[in-house]
Amino acid sequence: AQKVTQAQTEISVVEKEDVTLDCVYETRDTTYYLFWYKQPPSGELVFLIRRNSFDEQNEISGRYSWNFQKSTSSFNFTITASQVVDSAVYFCALSEVYSGGGADGLTFGKGTHLIIQP
Amino acid sequence: NAGVTQTPKFQVLKTGQSMTLQCAQDMNHEYMSWYRQDPGMGLRLIHYSVGAGITDQGEVPNGYNVSRSTTEDFPLRLLSAAPSQTSVYFCASSYSTLAAPYTGELFFGEGSRLTVL
Repeated sequence: AQKVTQAQTEISVVEKEDVTLDCVYETRDTTYYLFWYKQPPSGELVFLIRRNSFDEQNEISGRYSWNFQKSTSSFNFTITASQVVDSAVYFCALSEVYSGGGADGLTFGKGTHLIIQP
Repeated sequence: NAGVTQTPKFQVLKTGQSMTLQCAQDMNHEYMSWYRQDPGMGLRLIHYSVGAGITDQGEVPNGYNVSRSTTEDFPLRLLSAAPSQTSVYFCASSYSTLAAPYTGELFFGEGSRLTVL
């Protein structure tokens, strides 16, 4: 069975600090996708990134960066120079892709509540 | 540009009552799903559908029914509400077919907060 662990329940930092959110996953499949979603206080879920299991290249998007390491089954998310608007709950998720195509759904971690203090 | 629309946004029920959470999407997505979000539990998959007429159970299906008669709509039914079903429910859809690889990028509705007394 697949599993996603976000060990950090809550992180609090002061604005402009860098912060890394950890995500460790378990899967028996060789083909899968990893995701990060953001849930701001307003409650909606915002897609941030998708990573294919065959693509271990790290990605940077503005102040956001993601470090995917298959050797340690981790997909960590770093926010550089954090801002108050980054305050949210962040979810890491995993989707297994069946050999015939298709999948059932995402398995989410329990989320990390990130608090950026001004 | 509606995306995924859920109704109602808030609902209070008494134990034993029934209700239907509505979900509609206008993106012609084949894949639709329902999740529930509980404090400290993340999001858990209730039911999903890979196309009209096809549904399947997720991680926590007990107490919920679904049907998919059209591509656009995927209602979630609670036949006899229980306090344990107090939660925030999210409907999500994705472009995916049984033949095309599922990439999992889900488009979420705004959520429906359900309280069962």
